[in-house]
Amino acid sequence: QKEVEQNSGPLSVPEGAIASLNCTYSDRGSQSFFWYRQYSGKSPELIMFIYSNGDKEDGRFTAQLNKASQYVSLLIRDSQPSDSATYLCAVEGDSNYQLIWGAGTKLIIKP
Amino acid sequence: EPEVTQTPSHQVTQMGQEVILRCVPISNHLYFYWYRQILGQKVEFLVSFYNNEISEKSEIFDDQFSVERPDGSNFTLKIRSTKLEDSAMYFCATITGRGNYGYTFGSGTRLTVV
Repeated sequence: QKEVEQNSGPLSVPEGAIASLNCTYSDRGSQSFFWYRQYSGKSPELIMFIYSNGDKEDGRFTAQLNKASQYVSLLIRDSQPSDSATYLCAVEGDSNYQLIWGAGTKLIIKP
Repeated sequence: EPEVTQTPSHQVTQMGQEVILRCVPISNHLYFYWYRQILGQKVEFLVSFYNNEISEKSEIFDDQFSVERPDGSNFTLKIRSTKLEDSAMYFCATITGRGNYGYTFGSGTRLTVV
């Protein structure tokens, strides 16, 4: 059974600081990794995907992948109150682009 | 930006009744999915659909569930005899199928079984 693990939080970060979210996965053969943001009662919204080891930056967001250690992280710079949400880590499963999801980390940005 | 449309946004049904949840995928997307999320829990895969047939399904997707694309546009999820534990948010998602660059999700249907 493939697993994706995240700390459920809540993670509380002051406005303007860097928020760091982490995720580990069980299948060493996994190739594709995704971060989604989900506001309460809403559908997940794609933030970033990453396939290669290292960092990938998009605006205030940086995804980091370390396949040897089987973790993927998301950094949010200059955190804003609107970043307060649950952040879901997802890893591509065996076939047909199916995703295996973590339970999500609740992030709270305090003004 | 293209959207995945889901209807209804909220459905309340009595236990044992049939429900049909509807999704209109993005027109040039090839893979369609249903996921569900019970309140406070993980997103769970139900089924994937490609080329007008089921390509994969989870253990959750038992004989009470079915999917179809009746008119080439709508993609539906039917639950034949709802149970209390079917209460959840149901999300439709689609991707192009030309590489996985992340799903486009619909806004979801909140199903409440009473």
